[in-house]
Amino acid sequence: EVQLVESGGGLVQPGGSLRLSCAASGFTVSGNYMSWVRLAPGKGLEWVSIIYTGGGTFYADSVKGRFTISRDNSKNTLYLQMNSLRAEDTAVYYCAREMGFSGLDVWGQGTTVTVSS
Amino acid sequence: QSALTQPRSVSGSPGQSVTISCTGTSSDVGGYNYVSWYQQHPGKAPKLMIYDVSKRPSGVPDRFSGSKSVNTASLTISGLQAEDEADYYCCSYAGSFNWVFGGGTKLTVL
Repeated sequence: EVQLVESGGGLVQPGGSLRLSCAASGFTVSGNYMSWVRLAPGKGLEWVSIIYTGGGTFYADSVKGRFTISRDNSKNTLYLQMNSLRAEDTAVYYCAREMGFSGLDVWGQGTTVTVSS
Repeated sequence: QSALTQPRSVSGSPGQSVTISCTGTSSDVGGYNYVSWYQQHPGKAPKLMIYDVSKRPSGVPDRFSGSKSVNTASLTISGLQAEDEADYYCCSYAGSFNWVFGGGTKLTVL
């Protein structure tokens, strides 16, 4: 079964760090474009980052320089390292499989990140 | 990159049709045929309903259809059913390896 399972969310103080994980099954993260998308309270979905099959990475301006996307092929797992967290980073974070540029066809259940003192 | 513009809410009665618009610019919606639509029920993960403007993934009912004209994409749901009540988001590739979502539309089935 094709599935994504996120973990690693939690409560963190402003300026802190957190690493999210996304374990894939039924397909390989290395063979697919993989993205992170977030949903902040009362707001719409926001694309955060993508990693391509070749390893290239790209970020939304709102997280550039603070977040790092990566993957561990041996564990078939996607990661999002989040540093210098701000209150506005509070959201449910989803990992998803990208069909090239066409759309996100497989989504995880989400993990909640709360940035608050 | 500014979010795509969607109506905050739409509504319709069972059996009716509704259309949700998604307005962008020539740099995103108008510039690429990479518009997708997602359905999200409260507390659930988004679900892909339409990709490449008008293509339906396997398993999505043909009651859902997508189209695009210049800088505006549209999602039409015909034969509304109670289970269609959800939030709907459009998304477009915006060039330079960036994607932009719409603000979301809450569909109420009366």
